[in-house]
Amino acid sequence: EVNLLESGGGLVQPGGSLRLSCAASGFTLSSYAMSWVRQAPGKGLEWVSALGPSGDDTYYAGSVRGRFTISRDISKNTLYLQMNSLRAGDTAVYYCAQVCRNNWNYGLCNWGQGTLVTVSS
Amino acid sequence: DIQMTQSPSSVSASVGDRVTITCRASQGISRYLAWYQQKPGKAPKLLIFAASSLESGVPSRFSGSGSGTDFTLTISSLQPEDFATYYCQQADSFPFTFGPGTKVDVK
Repeated sequence: EVNLLESGGGLVQPGGSLRLSCAASGFTLSSYAMSWVRQAPGKGLEWVSALGPSGDDTYYAGSVRGRFTISRDISKNTLYLQMNSLRAGDTAVYYCAQVCRNNWNYGLCNWGQGTLVTVSS
Repeated sequence: DIQMTQSPSSVSASVGDRVTITCRASQGISRYLAWYQQKPGKAPKLLIFAASSLESGVPSRFSGSGSGTDFTLTISSLQPEDFATYYCQQADSFPFTFGPGTKVDVK
């Protein structure tokens, strides 16, 4: 059974940094593409970033490009999202999700429970 | 970036009703469209991928159709557990984008 468990959220001041983790079980990260999606309080879903199965191809939303970095540690079977220069607009629940059938065109079929990031002074 | 729109933004319906939600892409995305259901405080759940393929375990009352720029999600007979918010997502090109959502609530 696929399980994704996010952690690392919390309160951070504007301009600060935070690293989110997504521990995967039931499958091997090195074989699957993964994504991060966020949801601001009371708002809709926003796709944030993705990492291909090779670990070399990365993709970002324009709103986070240059500030966020997606990566993984195969030995820990864990996906990361390094977030720098955080702004109030980055306040959201952040979900990690597995790309369906390892095909970018098929959506996101397994999701974690999310971790809340609050950017405030 | 490809912009996604949904209509209506909300719909009030009763158990047993047929509900149709529309999603439109700002440019053609072939059939690379996914639909999700989200309940308050929960992660989204994939319902439909590739515009019309039903995800495993999803009831057959859910169906999707469309290609190019116009897509629909239909719930043939609304059940109590279907009251939720529904999102479309284009999976054609990066950056992937979601629609703003359609809330289905009790009439």
